[in-house]
Amino acid sequence: NAGVMQNPRHLVRRRGQEARLRCSPMKGHSHVYWYRQLPEEGLKFMVYLQKENIIDESGMPKERFSAEFPKEGPSILRIQQVVRGDSAAYFCASYGGVYLEETQYFGPGTRLLVL
Amino acid sequence: GEDVEQSLFLSVREGDSSVINCTYTDSSSTYLYWYKQEPGAGLQLLTYIFSNMDMKQDQRLTVLLNKKDKHLSLRIADTQTGDSAIYFCAPEGTYNQGGKLIFGQGTELSVKP
Repeated sequence: NAGVMQNPRHLVRRRGQEARLRCSPMKGHSHVYWYRQLPEEGLKFMVYLQKENIIDESGMPKERFSAEFPKEGPSILRIQQVVRGDSAAYFCASYGGVYLEETQYFGPGTRLLVL
Repeated sequence: GEDVEQSLFLSVREGDSSVINCTYTDSSSTYLYWYKQEPGAGLQLLTYIFSNMDMKQDQRLTVLLNKKDKHLSLRIADTQTGDSAIYFCAPEGTYNQGGKLIFGQGTELSVKP
């Protein structure tokens, strides 16, 4: 059973470009969380999605950031017009959706560097 | 919102026990997790405790939960150099928060031979 997959593992962008981060949850999981880890900090929640729905985006910056989880295909975290402060590790975690019985499984992360 | 605090560094000698402490503010968390992160890697789930438990033991790991004081600890017995990593305490948000995890800053454990 494949784990959570994220790609790319490393992404370099120049200021003003767009970054697209992909997350494929574990097989059978329909819930995805995105977290951001700034250098030498803990992970901060960004957004929680189920298939075709955004459930909680309270941790998403108001501008330039968006997320989706379509019916088919991976979840995408999109950052438009990147700035140096967006440099961080972005982790997604998938969850089976049966509350009180499962934990979140994390992917290896995408490390974004903005030059 | 929920706040989670951990000490930033801990240094121990190989073979000693390590105790990593965590305090949190939201007492409604149902599950409280411990994750391990090695340099440049993702997060590995180590163990977790259900909120109605005081203690959970899993091989070299012992988790203690004091709900009254909102204090969680992770004890690693017979610490090895391979245990050197950053350890995160992560209470789970309540159901109406969508179960998101709230992470502390992490404790960097350094194990000296």
